[in-house]
Amino acid sequence: AQKITQTQPGMFVQEKEAVTLDCTYDTSDQSYGLFWYKQPSSGEMIFLIYQGSYDEQNATEGRYSLNFQKARKSANLVISASQLGDSAMYFCAMRDYTGNQFYFGTGTSLTVIP
Amino acid sequence: NAGVTQTPKFQVLKTGQSMTLQCAQDMNHEYMSWYRQDPGMGLRLIHYSVGAGITDQGEVPNGYNVSRSTTEDFPLRLLSAAPSQTSVYFCASSYSSGRSYEQYFGPGTRLTVT
Repeated sequence: AQKITQTQPGMFVQEKEAVTLDCTYDTSDQSYGLFWYKQPSSGEMIFLIYQGSYDEQNATEGRYSLNFQKARKSANLVISASQLGDSAMYFCAMRDYTGNQFYFGTGTSLTVIP
Repeated sequence: NAGVTQTPKFQVLKTGQSMTLQCAQDMNHEYMSWYRQDPGMGLRLIHYSVGAGITDQGEVPNGYNVSRSTTEDFPLRLLSAAPSQTSVYFCASSYSSGRSYEQYFGPGTRLTVT
C-alpha cells in the first residue's frame, strides 16, 4: 500500500524566514516520484517541485527545495525567505512506479506572519 | 493555451440524479485523471486514462464512470449521486512519460449532493 503522511496540520512562519514542511512516504517500489503542490485559498493546485527516486541530488526550484532522505523515506519541502503570498495549503504527493497512480497527503496549512 | 478546463464550476444535485463533469485539455497530454478533495483527506484519485480508449481505476472509483474517446476530453459521470459524493472534483493532465509526470490541474468543480 502507498501512503503519504504529513504530520503538521498547520504551521506559522515569520516573513523572510525559512520553513520546513514535513512529508514521509511509504512504498515498496524502487521507482517512484515525489511532488509538492501549493493550494492557495482560491483553490487551484500549483506544482512546486519534483524529486525522482533515483535522483541523487535534492531538487531545487527557486525558493523551494526538497530535502530527500531516501533511507528515511522523507521528502520535506523547504521554503526559503517566506513571503506573504506563500500562505496556502501544501500537499506532498507520490506517483508509483507505473507513473499512473498518485497519492496525496492530507496537507499542511502554512501561514506567513508579517 | 487554455490548459485544463472544467465545467461546471458549481453544481447542486439531488440524491439519485446523474450528471457529467466535463474536463478538457489542449496540451496534447496523454495522461488525464480525476480526483476528489474532501476536508482533511487531501486529494484521492478516482480514475485515470493513459490515452484515448484506455481508462483505469484509482483509489476511490466506486460510483463514478469515465471514458476517453479523444485525447482532449475526459468526462466523469456520476450515475446516481449520493451525499457521500459531495466534494470538490479536480481534473488533471500530464505527459505520460518524461522527467516529472508533472500534473496540470483544472480549477475544480464544487459538487453538493442533497
